[in-house]
Amino acid sequence: DSGVTQTPKHLITATGQRVTLRCSPRSGDLSVYWYQQSLDQGLQFLIQYYNGEERAKGNILERFSAQQFPDLHSELNLSSLELGDSALYFCASTQLAGPYNEQFFGPGTRLTVL
Amino acid sequence: AQTVTQSQPEMSVQEAETVTLSCTYDTSESDYYLFWYKQPPSRQMILVIRQEAYKQQNATENRFSVNFQKAAKSFSLKISDSQLGDAAMYFCAYRSGNRDDKIIFGKGTRLHILP
Repeated sequence: DSGVTQTPKHLITATGQRVTLRCSPRSGDLSVYWYQQSLDQGLQFLIQYYNGEERAKGNILERFSAQQFPDLHSELNLSSLELGDSALYFCASTQLAGPYNEQFFGPGTRLTVL
Repeated sequence: AQTVTQSQPEMSVQEAETVTLSCTYDTSESDYYLFWYKQPPSRQMILVIRQEAYKQQNATENRFSVNFQKAAKSFSLKISDSQLGDAAMYFCAYRSGNRDDKIIFGKGTRLHILP
């Protein structure tokens, strides 16, 4: 158990819908990262937040947005869902924002878009 | 743009033997970090080992070691005395040393351990 929690574990929804994935970092960690893992695209970095502010942006679609709240939990919002958005979404956390810090990954949220 | 390539989609090794997973990367940066992550069937991503580009010495963590060839942009993972619990998907990852902190993963190598 990494100490990072993600809810829900599984999510099944229809095309065109909107969902919110939640991530709670390890106690004391200030930075949260979001990743998407799909069969065709592999594991892709989406976005990073540090202490409530966006720090780095990867291959995140405009239909997706994220934020980190004052209590440091983060939410990833996916809207106008398409079949291709079906994937495993991970979040990871680190205490600091620097690149050397070990990222602790949550168990992931499996999103299925029908 | 940086890229990470793992040319071996799948590999098999006999239990107790040694196996090497390959990874090459492309970057124009001088400051960066390299990682190997393990993803077992549970899907949990676990950090195996990391290497700072400025360090010439290869990183080692128990049975896991890397062969870091900076000029060749190669970062292979050697697993010694392979165990059944090593069966997993292994991802090589690159992370810039710059502030934007992007991390780029390879496509992964699925490692099978044969009893």
